[in-house]
Amino acid sequence: DAGVTQSPTHLIKTRGQHVTLRCSPISGHKSVSWYQQVLGQGPQFIFQYYEKEERGRGNFPDRFSARQFPNYSSELNVNALLLGDSALYLCASSPQGTTNEKLFFGSGTQLSVL
Amino acid sequence: GQNIDQPTEMTATEGAIVQINCTYQTSGFNGLFWYQQHAGEAPTFLSYNVLDGLEEKGRFSSFLSRSKGYSYLLLKELQMKDSASYLCAVRDSFNKFYFGSGTKLNVKP
Repeated sequence: DAGVTQSPTHLIKTRGQHVTLRCSPISGHKSVSWYQQVLGQGPQFIFQYYEKEERGRGNFPDRFSARQFPNYSSELNVNALLLGDSALYLCASSPQGTTNEKLFFGSGTQLSVL
Repeated sequence: GQNIDQPTEMTATEGAIVQINCTYQTSGFNGLFWYQQHAGEAPTFLSYNVLDGLEEKGRFSSFLSRSKGYSYLLLKELQMKDSASYLCAVRDSFNKFYFGSGTKLNVKP
C-alpha cells in the first residue's frame, strides 16, 4: 500500500509569489495535517483537516490556507511568499485524527524562496 | 504556551545504551510520541505513551511521568543506522501535536 505522498518534492519560488503543495493520505485515512519544518528545528503545526473540515490551526499568518477534498487529499496554499517561508513542508495522515492515533508522514516538499 | 525541550545533540558508541530526555509544558495532555527522522526523510513513529510508566518495543523503550512533564527514549544495543534525529512530540487537549526541536544522535563505531 502507498504511504502518504506529497508533490512536488522540491520547489523554488521568488518572494511575493504563491505556492500550492499537494498531499494524498494513506488509503482509508480521513485526517490530514500540515507541518512546517525549518532546518534544525522540529515540525511546527500549521493545519489539521478531517472530513473536509478544519479541525485546528497553528500560529501561522493568513497567507497560509489549506483545504481537504472529498477524496481526503489536501492542498496547502501560501500567498505572498517570504524568504522565511523556506522550509520542508510535511503532510501527515491518520485514520480519524483522534487522540491515540499516530501520525504517518510523507517525505515532504522542500520549498526554497529566493 | 507550549514548550518542549530536548538536548540538541548527543554522541554514543555502537553497542552502547543512550537515553534521550524530553521535558514539556503544554495546554492539556493527550499523549507523548517519539519519532525518528533520518536526514532528508520523513519522521517515522517509534513510540507512544499516554499513561505513566515504561513502554518497551524491542531495542527502544519510552518512559513517561505526567506529573513531572518528563519523558525519555532509551535506545539499547546502538547500531550505526540509529544515527538520526529523535523528535519528542506532545498532543494537547485540542488534538494538536507540538514537536521539540529534535535531538541529533551520532553513533560512532
